[in-house]
Amino acid sequence: DAKTTQPPSMDCAEGRAANLPCNHSTISGNEYVYWYRQIHSQGPQYIIHGLKNNETNEMASLIITEDRKSSTLILPHATLRDTAVYYCIVRVYTNAGKSTFGDGTTLTVKP
Amino acid sequence: KAGVTQTPRYLIKTRGQQVTLSCSPISGHRSVSWYQQTPGQGLQFLFEYFSETQRNKGNFPGRFSGRQFSNSRSEMNVSTLELGDSALYLCASSLDGTSGSYDYEQFFGPGTRLTVL
Repeated sequence: DAKTTQPPSMDCAEGRAANLPCNHSTISGNEYVYWYRQIHSQGPQYIIHGLKNNETNEMASLIITEDRKSSTLILPHATLRDTAVYYCIVRVYTNAGKSTFGDGTTLTVKP
Repeated sequence: KAGVTQTPRYLIKTRGQQVTLSCSPISGHRSVSWYQQTPGQGLQFLFEYFSETQRNKGNFPGRFSGRQFSNSRSEMNVSTLELGDSALYLCASSLDGTSGSYDYEQFFGPGTRLTVL
């Protein structure tokens, strides 16, 4: 799995968009970008994943640069409940069972 | 559809004892993975089971073992517990189907909090 780099922490005002960056400069052509989040002491929760096209679901949007070396997770209207550690993972999708989690980004949404 | 369940949720053991943790995956999911989470080391992969066979293994000593049953339920065992084994143990399941990347999303359980005294 390619290595990822994320800022250790970020703040966001409630109701504003939260943009969480992830660098993955060594990503291979068959590796997907996955995002999970972990609210304190709970199991990680899958958010979204993508290969090269931008993706959107009910939780978030994923923007992947054209060269695929970085991506941004966007929470369009952050709420206090979005305060969590967000993990960006790059892997071949068949390797889901042995994911490598880094330190992630601690997002704090403030009122 | 029920999520991944783990039992027990909390456990206190003493050094030298052994412990068995249980995980019931989402119905129909065939892959079960185990992770250890500690404040110092973060989330670390222990092992993955698929169709009752260990498919992948992380860098943990042999004291950590697991198995998967025919109904995909899984157990992990830690023998000769050490203080450093205190952690949140997480189980995750995925479908591992044939319809592409969405069949490999991992769904995590709430974890078992193990405290070794």
